[in-house]
Formats: sequence, structure tokens, C-alpha cells
Amino acid sequence: GAGVSQSPRYKVTKRGQDVALRCDPISGHVSLYWYRQALGQGPEFLTYFNYEAQQDKSGLPNDRFSAERPEGSISTLTIQRTEQRDSAMYRCASSPGESGEQYFGPGTRLTVT
Amino acid sequence: ILNVEQSPQSLHVQEGDSTNFTCSFPSSNFYALHWYRWETAKSPEALFVMTLNGDEKKKGRISATLNTKEGYSYLYIKGSQPEDSATYLCAFMDDYKLSFGAGTTVTVRA
Repeated sequence: GAGVSQSPRYKVTKRGQDVALRCDPISGHVSLYWYRQALGQGPEFLTYFNYEAQQDKSGLPNDRFSAERPEGSISTLTIQRTEQRDSAMYRCASSPGESGEQYFGPGTRLTVT
Repeated sequence: ILNVEQSPQSLHVQEGDSTNFTCSFPSSNFYALHWYRWETAKSPEALFVMTLNGDEKKKGRISATLNTKEGYSYLYIKGSQPEDSATYLCAFMDDYKLSFGAGTTVTVRA
């Protein structure tokens, strides 16, 4: 079956612009996670959804970052007024439950110029 | 942020040799320990989810052990092959949240 998909795969934006990153999880997966991954590092937790409820957003760096999953399926991570330090790989993962293995998407490589 | 450490950061192995490396994690509030295999330009792929102290899991030539009391897990690769070249990430699960280590990058030389 289809895995986790993310779009766009690459995004170049100018400083100050808003960006929206999309994650389409595996069908039926209850849990959805957003991570940010710097070069040479493991993924860093940003936020977590259980169905449509955002259970934890403690990893979001500041209030320019927000995420939603309104119908418990597709999720959008939005970064407002982007800054160069926001440049990174943003990965989403889904899981059939809270404790199981996570299935990662291909990521969106965001570059802020 | 939980401190998950992996060592060594990188290692080079001759084809056919076996190798192992370590993940250390907090020993309190343990829920699960995940291992992922990650090839650059691809997505991390789950290898094991380990939950019980003393757990040993195996997938082909790769196996892992878990010691939750002392807070470490070993990943073993037996008879390394070039296709084993990747970064191996461990992640400590505290309730539902994964905290990843920086990974051990394995390069297998033919």
C-alpha cells in the first residue's frame, strides 16, 4: 500500500514568507508526528496528533510554527514569517498506535533565502 | 529534551566482518526503544521496537538487545554486506514521544 507522502519535496522561500508543508499519512494510522532534522542529526520532535487532536506541541520552536490535522488524516505544518534558521528537512511520520513503529515520509527540504 | 547518545558516531567495516554499536538512554520512565535504519536521501525505516528488559530481536543478519535497567541497547550486524551501509538511529520512547540519537553511520567496504 501507499506509504506516508509529503509535499512539496523541496521548497525554497524568501525570508519573511509563510510556508505550508503537507503530510498525508498511511490510511488508518491514528498517530501523526512532525519532526525537524538538521544535517547529520536524528529527527527532532516538533508535535504529535492523535486523530485530529494535537496532543503535544512542546517541540515547536516558537509561535511562528503551527500544525493542524482537522479531519484526523492529512496534516499541515505552517511556518509564518520564515527565517533562515528555519531551513531544515521537515519529516512527518505516522503510526497505527501511540507505541508502535513509526513510518516516515520522504520529508520536505525547506530552504529559506 | 531527553539525552539519547549513540556511539561510535561512525565506523568502517570490512565486508564479511561483524560489528556492533551502542545506544544509551535514560533508565527512568522507559516505554520503548526504537531502532531505525536510514539511508541518506531516503526515509528512516523501522528495524525494531523493543519494550521489555532483556528483549532480543532479530531481522536477518541484524539483531538488537535491550537493557532498560542500565539504559542501553546494542545493535549487531553479523557478516556485514555493502547494502548494510547506512546510518542507524535509535530513539527512546517516553509515553508517545520519540527522542532520537544522532545515529551511528556504518560504511561497509567491499
